[in-house]
Amino acid sequence: SQQGEEDPQALSIQEGENATMNCSYKTSINNLQWYRQNSGRGLVHLILIRSNEREKHSGRLRVTLDTSKKSSSLLITASRAADTASYFCAMLFNSGGSNYKLTFGKGTLLTVNP
Amino acid sequence: GAVVSQHPSWVICKSGTSVKIECRSLDFQATTMFWYRQFPKQSLMLMATSNEGSKATYEQGVEKDKFLINHASLTLSTLTVTSAHPEDSSFYICSAMVRGETQYFGPGTRLLVL
Repeated sequence: SQQGEEDPQALSIQEGENATMNCSYKTSINNLQWYRQNSGRGLVHLILIRSNEREKHSGRLRVTLDTSKKSSSLLITASRAADTASYFCAMLFNSGGSNYKLTFGKGTLLTVNP
Repeated sequence: GAVVSQHPSWVICKSGTSVKIECRSLDFQATTMFWYRQFPKQSLMLMATSNEGSKATYEQGVEKDKFLINHASLTLSTLTVTSAHPEDSSFYICSAMVRGETQYFGPGTRLLVL
């Protein structure tokens, strides 16, 4: 199944710094979503960007989408220790007819040091 | 917002037994539900897509006779891990899709097979 590639696999920064994570995918998508997951816990939906959108903001989050390069980035500004988590991109694509699938990238483990 | 529940939240069972996991959309109807599996420190892997009233569509490499999926109603899908073995120990997460775009994830079920 399609899976996105994310980089970096792990990122360690100091509180107050910005964190940027990148995601690349292989085929056409309907939208791309970013999720956060704390260790051993469920997913938290962060933001969704549609294929006809290029940039979206939500609080300290900024997401860009470049469909020509099949890539997206997630920027977290002014990071906090509480932002420490794994971040996943997920691609929604049409799998035939009216069927859709959401597949995940491999994730970036972000550590924000106090 | 829409809520998806999973039951049980964790289960420990002996090797060779079968385990059933329920996924319910509490305040909305979902024509499509998805089942994912996540091993420690890895991303979510899509196992199957479940449409109400029809057979589930399994991803390549997922044994349909081992992982039985029943989508009995617009608010309930079940995953049964048959004859579970230690290698089936994992975090199982379901999601429900609305309007072909937004997915709502359950909190996950942690399965440990001894």
